[in-house]
Amino acid sequence: AQSVAQPEDQVNVAEGNPLTVKCTYSVSGNPYLFWYVQYPNRGLQFLLKYITGDNLVKGSYGFEAEFNKSQTSFHLKKPSALVSDSALYFCAVRDASNAGNMLTFGGGTRLMVKP
Amino acid sequence: DGGITQSPKYLFRKEGQNVTLSCEQNLNHDAMYWYRQDPGQGLRLIYYSQIVNDFQKGDIAEGYSVSREKKESFPLTVTSAQKNPTAFYLCASKPSGPSNTGELFFGEGSRLTVL
Repeated sequence: AQSVAQPEDQVNVAEGNPLTVKCTYSVSGNPYLFWYVQYPNRGLQFLLKYITGDNLVKGSYGFEAEFNKSQTSFHLKKPSALVSDSALYFCAVRDASNAGNMLTFGGGTRLMVKP
Repeated sequence: DGGITQSPKYLFRKEGQNVTLSCEQNLNHDAMYWYRQDPGQGLRLIYYSQIVNDFQKGDIAEGYSVSREKKESFPLTVTSAQKNPTAFYLCASKPSGPSNTGELFFGEGSRLTVL
């Protein structure tokens, strides 16, 4: 079985400050990990993914995420938040050992960036 | 440009009426999915299809029906049997093959409101 947890329903940060949105996962084998962002009344947009290789993954809009195998985490980070980063963020995981598996999504974290 | 098109963007329905949401993709993806999203909530899988003329129920299939007569199209019908149909509906697709990492590509969503 595979699962993913986003422990924070909402994260508040001031514009210009660094932000972190947390994600932890559970899979039997190696994970494929993803971050998506959703703006109001829009579909999910792909931000970045970890498949293999460098643990620090860089994605769209200045976001990055660090894969930590020992802590089974894949936290999303950005050095300096923008008001326009305010949105709903979803972490997702798939067990790489089973090609038939679908993505499992976390419950989402709402990021609020205040001016 | 390649992508997934959902229509209509907004739809209003009276109680007791069936309504069909359209999802078309020109990405040549084999697999297609329908998710439901309630306000501030995560995604719940309604139906999915791995190949033409085949589909499977997801976690919340009751009150919904789908068809997959063409690779490009995966319409979702919300029937009168669905008790709480007001929601945001998201269609997604995924490529197949050995290089597939499980990444989903999403449409822009359809918001259904039952009056």
